[in-house]
Formats: sequence, structure tokens, C-alpha cells
Amino acid sequence: NAGVTQTPKFQVLKTGQSMTLQCAQDMNHNSMYWYRQDPGMGLRLIYYSASEGTTDKGEVPNGYNVSRLNKREFSLRLESAAPSQTSVYFCASSDGTSQETQYFGPGTRLLVL
Amino acid sequence: AQSVTQLDSQVPVFEEAPVELRCNYSSSVSVYLFWYVQYPNQGLQLLLKYLSGSTLVESINGFEAEFNKSQTSFHLRKPSVHISDTAEYFCAVSVSGGSYIPTFGRGTSLIVHP
Repeated sequence: NAGVTQTPKFQVLKTGQSMTLQCAQDMNHNSMYWYRQDPGMGLRLIYYSASEGTTDKGEVPNGYNVSRLNKREFSLRLESAAPSQTSVYFCASSDGTSQETQYFGPGTRLLVL
Repeated sequence: AQSVTQLDSQVPVFEEAPVELRCNYSSSVSVYLFWYVQYPNQGLQLLLKYLSGSTLVESINGFEAEFNKSQTSFHLRKPSVHISDTAEYFCAVSVSGGSYIPTFGRGTSLIVHP
């Protein structure tokens, strides 16, 4: 099992450009999440999907959109990138109960110039 | 809503010394507690978790954490660290019977010096 995979690993964008970060999990998990990690800020939840067909905003959703394409895949889109979106982005999945471990992907390192 | 405070942003130690990474939480209801570790340039992975039962939980690589309900703490300890333990450590809390989404602390960077 690959677990949680993310593409791309690295990306450089210019301000105003758009891109989609892809995430897939092969653990048959119901819930999927997108976080961003910035120095000194820990992990902040951008969006999550409790189950296929549903998405909800997290702590920092502005400037992002998501799509839960099917049970396996959850993508994050930046429509018009800004330098403030320079960060490391992590996708995670879990069974969707409060006892459950979250499983994280390796991350996408994004630089917006 | 629950919250998590990791009291130290950075903890430098020498190899083979003991270490304690502190975590305090606030919640008005029962909680589940987690420690995740992030090695350089990797995603987070679970180190250990407390769900119920014995308040002392252990990981396979020698870390342990103790749930202290009266002090609302879940500190992580290791009696003798290795260079390979250098990583970022995150404490997280989720609420029993409530939102399944955990709240993460800001992380503690453990730096082990030879």
C-alpha cells in the first residue's frame, strides 16, 4: 500500500498563476484533509471532506478550493496564487472518528514569487 | 473548543540524555491525545496515542507519554535520545464524541547534538 500520495513534490508559481495539488489514498478512508504548515504556526486546516461528496472549510480556507473527486482523491486548487500561500501543503486521511490516527502524505513544497 | 499548547518551540539536547517535550490541552469533555513525529522533509506520522485505560502509553522506539487528567497534560519523554530522534514533534487532541478533527499544537523541534 502506498498510503497517502501527493503530487507534485515541489512547485514554483508566479503571483496570479493557478495550480491544483493532487492527493490520493488507498486505505479506503472516509475522511480527507488539507493542511498547510508554516514556520512557528504548526499545522492549519484548510479544508476537509468528511465523506465522498462533502467538503467543509477549515481554519484558513481563503484563496483555496477543493474537490473530493471520489473516495480516493481530494484535490486542492489555488485559483490565483499569492506570496502568502508559499508554504508546505499536506494531505491527510483517516477513518473519520475522533479516535482515529491521521495518515499524512509527504507534502508539496510551494513557492509563490 | 479544545486547544493544545506545546510549551517549547525548540529543545536542544545531547545524545544519550533524557528529554521531555511538554504538551498541555484544554477541553471541557473527554479527549483523545496523540503525539506525531515529522522527520526532515517528510509528512507527519503517529508516534503514540492515548484513547483510554492505562495513562502511560509507549511507542516502539522508546518514547512514552503519560496522560495526566488533573494537570491536563500529555508530556512526551524518552530516557536516552539518539541523533535519529531529531525531528519536529506535534501534540494533538480530539474530543470524545465530538468533532473527529484533531487540534494540533504548534510543534516542538527536538535537536539532538552528538
